[in-house]
This record gives sequence, structure tokens and C-alpha cells, in this order.
Amino acid sequence: GAVVSQHPSWVICKSGTSVKIECRSLDFQATTMFWYRQFPKQSLMLMATSNEGSKATYEQGVEKDKFLINHASLTLSTLTVTSAHPEDSSFYICSATVPGPQVDEQFFGPGTRLTVL
Amino acid sequence: AQSVTQLGSHVSVSEGALVLLRCNYSSSVPPYLFWYVQYPNQGLQLLLKYTSAATLVKGINGFEAEFKKSETSFHLTKPSAHMSDAAEYFCAVSGGSSASKIIFGSGTRLSIRP
Repeated sequence: GAVVSQHPSWVICKSGTSVKIECRSLDFQATTMFWYRQFPKQSLMLMATSNEGSKATYEQGVEKDKFLINHASLTLSTLTVTSAHPEDSSFYICSATVPGPQVDEQFFGPGTRLTVL
Repeated sequence: AQSVTQLGSHVSVSEGALVLLRCNYSSSVPPYLFWYVQYPNQGLQLLLKYTSAATLVKGINGFEAEFKKSETSFHLTKPSAHMSDAAEYFCAVSGGSSASKIIFGSGTRLSIRP
């Protein structure tokens, strides 16, 4: 199946700094990518939908100025957590879609664990 | 609006026993339904999906699920559990249009007893 990578796999940063997470589709082009966050022992919560060449669509309650998403190419989307605080510590997962005959299939990256001190 | 409810946050079965993970959905449009598995500190892997074709869907690793519209259910089963099946399982739903976003259930942690 299609492969999605994320970099870094984990990151520790100081409060107030910004962190960039990359999501790449390695062997296919993805017009749509999604960003999720997952707290320990909880489900994935959709943060935003990222479309190549256009502004991301954020879910209700997600601060677009805090979580900056850029989808500059068909194989790369980035999530920047600006002025990170301890409450932003979480597991961030991206997915990339591949068109299917009936429904697009999402392929998930391995996730990035962010710890803000 | 769409949602899924997974009954039981934790299920424990003996190795070799039947696995049954329950999922009920709510959708105002014909749904697409999915089961994903997540191993610790990893992303999600698709087990199987329902796309309005056969109501009994077979997936990877011996798992299958049956779509029952009358019960709005999409329960996941496996006849005989293996130790390697221990993981977190998520039921998910999306709407009728392609590229629509997926809504995940709260997850069920499956433990396998030796």
C-alpha cells in the first residue's frame, strides 16, 4: 500500500518555541491530507483538512493561528505548532488520501510525539 | 452529522477465543465504515472497509465485519485470537462523497490472555 512518512517521529521543545512537523506521501501524490491529534488512551481528533495549493480547513475549536498548515506540493504537508505550550503535548498523526472507486482511502503516517516542557 | 460509538473501551479474551469488538454508527447519508488497528506509538492501519457492496467484509489478519443497517452496527470479529492481535482498534465512519473526512470512535483496547 501507499506509504506516508512523518518527520520527526518525536520532538521535545521548550514552552514558547515553534515546532514544524512534516508529512510526506512517499510513492503517490495526495491532493488532500488530514492532520489529527491524539491524547494518551484517546481517539484521533481531526484538526484540519489540507488541500494542495489552498488554505487548510480547520475543525471547530482548532486555532488556525496556532496550528499553521501548509500544503505546498502534492507530496508534502507541514504542521507548525506556534508558541507551543505544555497542553499542546500530544501525538500528531497525518494521513494522505488516494482516490478510490467508491471512497478515497486514507493512509496514515506513523505519528509524531510532541512534548512541550 | 456522523458519529460512531464503540461499546467497551477494553476487551480481554483468551488466545484462541472469539474476538468481538462492537461498533454502532449514526449517519444521515449512506455511510462508509472502517476498522483501523493501532499498535503502540504507531499510526493506523486499515483492517477493512465497507463501501456499500457486500455487507460482510473480510479484512486482513483474519478479521471481518458485518454491516447491519437495521441495527446501525458494524461489529468486528475474528474467530480465533492471537497474541499479536493485542492493540487498539478504532471504528470510523465517513460520508457519501469521496475525500470526505473520517470520524473515529473512541477506540477499544484488545488484550489477549495466554
